[in-house]
Amino acid sequence: GESVGLHLPTLSVQEGDNSIINCAYSNSASDYFIWYKQESGKGPQFIIDIRSNMDKRQGQRVTVLLNKTVKHLSLQIAATQPGDSAVYFCAEVNSGYSTLTFGKGTMLLVSP
Amino acid sequence: KAGVTQTPRYLIKTRGQQVTLSCSPISGHRSVSWYQQTPGQGLQFLFEYFSETQRNKGNFPGRFSGRQFSNSRSEMNVSTLELGDSALYLCASSLLTENSPLHFGNGTRLTVT
Repeated sequence: GESVGLHLPTLSVQEGDNSIINCAYSNSASDYFIWYKQESGKGPQFIIDIRSNMDKRQGQRVTVLLNKTVKHLSLQIAATQPGDSAVYFCAEVNSGYSTLTFGKGTMLLVSP
Repeated sequence: KAGVTQTPRYLIKTRGQQVTLSCSPISGHRSVSWYQQTPGQGLQFLFEYFSETQRNKGNFPGRFSGRQFSNSRSEMNVSTLELGDSALYLCASSLLTENSPLHFGNGTRLTVT
């Protein structure tokens, strides 16, 4: 089946830096994507989502970019803080909004 | 509004035993899906229930089963446990509407010895 994959398994940054986490997807028919953050011992937590009719969406300190031409998503975190240290997953939502196909995840490590 | 609740948080079982995990979705969410998370395979979809019916199923053996009750609460069962079933089992619930993300519980950590 089709899957969503990540390019970088680990990203280390300094506090205050901007972080960029990338994700490639393979199903060109997908029209809804979600980024999740997972801290140790917890379930994935919703960060931000984007539909395929948009190429950019901004939240608080986070921005998601979608490039449908190359089937690529990125999550940008501004002024990264130690509390942002976690594993980040992109996920592709099925057409019924009921199931997810996850990428492998990127661990973000933020040094003070 | 309470989030997705999963019980128990931790379980230790031996090979050959069976286990039942429970999930209470967010109030008003009628779709419940289950995922297995392991270091090697990442997050993999197990199955999804809506109105007490399994609508979607991932690529897992028949030892993995589930059900949903009329109040949308769900259980999953794993029979004849194998060492490779050790994982974090996550439950998510959804409103099934456009721009409505799936919300996860904190999971049940199953260890099979």
